[in-house]
Amino acid sequence: KAGVTQTPRYLIKTRGQQVTLSCSPISGHRSVSWYQQTPGQGLQFLFEYFSETQRNKGNFPGRFSGRQFSNSRSEMNVSTLELGDSALYLCASSFDPSGSSYNEQFFGPGTRLTVL
Amino acid sequence: GDSVTQMEGPVTLSEEAFLTINCTYTATGYPSLFWYVQYPGEGLQLLLKATKADDKGSNKGFEATYRKETTSFHLEKGSVQVSDSAVYFCALFNGGATNKLIFGTGTLLAVQP
Repeated sequence: KAGVTQTPRYLIKTRGQQVTLSCSPISGHRSVSWYQQTPGQGLQFLFEYFSETQRNKGNFPGRFSGRQFSNSRSEMNVSTLELGDSALYLCASSFDPSGSSYNEQFFGPGTRLTVL
Repeated sequence: GDSVTQMEGPVTLSEEAFLTINCTYTATGYPSLFWYVQYPGEGLQLLLKATKADDKGSNKGFEATYRKETTSFHLEKGSVQVSDSAVYFCALFNGGATNKLIFGTGTLLAVQP
């Protein structure tokens, strides 16, 4: 079974631009979560989607948004990029059939975003 | 709110040395606790977990015991190898209809031959 895939793996943007990152979960998984990883802040939760609905959201500004499609693939978008948005963005998927309890998350390799 | 605190890295050890990475948590209720490992250029992999007090998680020679009285979940390995070099994250899950994990800042382990 293929693992979680993220595209692109590397991205360079300039301040003020916007960016869209993509995540394809493991087949059959319905929950997709996004995390931002930086040297200073570590791993911080961005948001989680389950069955095309945002189920939980971290403490990030509205410039960060996401969505999930009917096939469970997810995208996250960052508008008006700032230097501080440079980070590794990790996506994780889990089976979660009932949507009611924790299921083991499987992480993708991440997208490395550099903002110049 | 809930939080996880890990010892600062990097931790540099010689091969076959004993490893301890400290992790303490703050949470209401009875969280589940995890250790994840991140090898260079890769995503996170679940290393081990414990879901209730006094549980011991173990995998690949690594162990951690859920100590509610000290709110700790320290990672240990008796004899590290060069291939164990990676970043290790302690994390907790504290219930609800969500899969949100709260992570510590990570500890870089470098094992020298």
